[in-house]
Amino acid sequence: GAVVSQHPSRVICKSGTSVKIECRSLDFQATTMFWYRQFPKQSLMLMATSNEGSKATYEQGVEKDKFLINHASLTLSTLTVTSAHPEDSSFYICRAGGGGTEAFFGQGTRLTVV
Amino acid sequence: GDSVTQMEGPVTLSEEAFLTINCTYTATGYPSLFWYVQYPGEGLQLLLKATKADDKGSNKGFEATYRKETTSFHLEKGSVQVSDSAVYFCALSVAGGFKTIFGAGTRLFVKA
Repeated sequence: GAVVSQHPSRVICKSGTSVKIECRSLDFQATTMFWYRQFPKQSLMLMATSNEGSKATYEQGVEKDKFLINHASLTLSTLTVTSAHPEDSSFYICRAGGGGTEAFFGQGTRLTVV
Repeated sequence: GDSVTQMEGPVTLSEEAFLTINCTYTATGYPSLFWYVQYPGEGLQLLLKATKADDKGSNKGFEATYRKETTSFHLEKGSVQVSDSAVYFCALSVAGGFKTIFGAGTRLFVKA
């Protein structure tokens, strides 16, 4: 299958700082990007959907000013967690779709805010 | 709303044992159903899928049948291997789109 690279795989940051997570599609053009969050022993929850060149569409209850999504090119999308707090600690996963019938996941990023 | 419920893990089996991971769903309309697998340190990968009632998805010895009458899509494998140790996610999508709803995941440990 297609390759989606997510970086970093783990990050620890101090409370109040911002963290950027990158998601790259390595061998296809990702017209649609999804960002998910997963709490321990819980489902993946969709946070937002973005189409290249457009503003992201956020799911209900997700703060768009806190979770900034940029999808400026067909191979890169970023999620920035601004002014992170311990409750933002979670596993974040991107998923890239290229216009076909399947979308591909990145490896995920474990964020710990201390 | 649409949802997916799968059995809690972890599931621990010996090599060559039979595996079943239960999954049931609630959805309006006619969803497509999926099983994803996540190996340690890797992203989720599509394992198999079924798009309509009575379809059977299969891959790498794993099978799941779309049962509309019981709203289920249980994952089975006749003889598991140590390399099957991973987290398995049941999921559904509706309206043919990428928007997918996931179960909580079931961790499988296979002992040699």
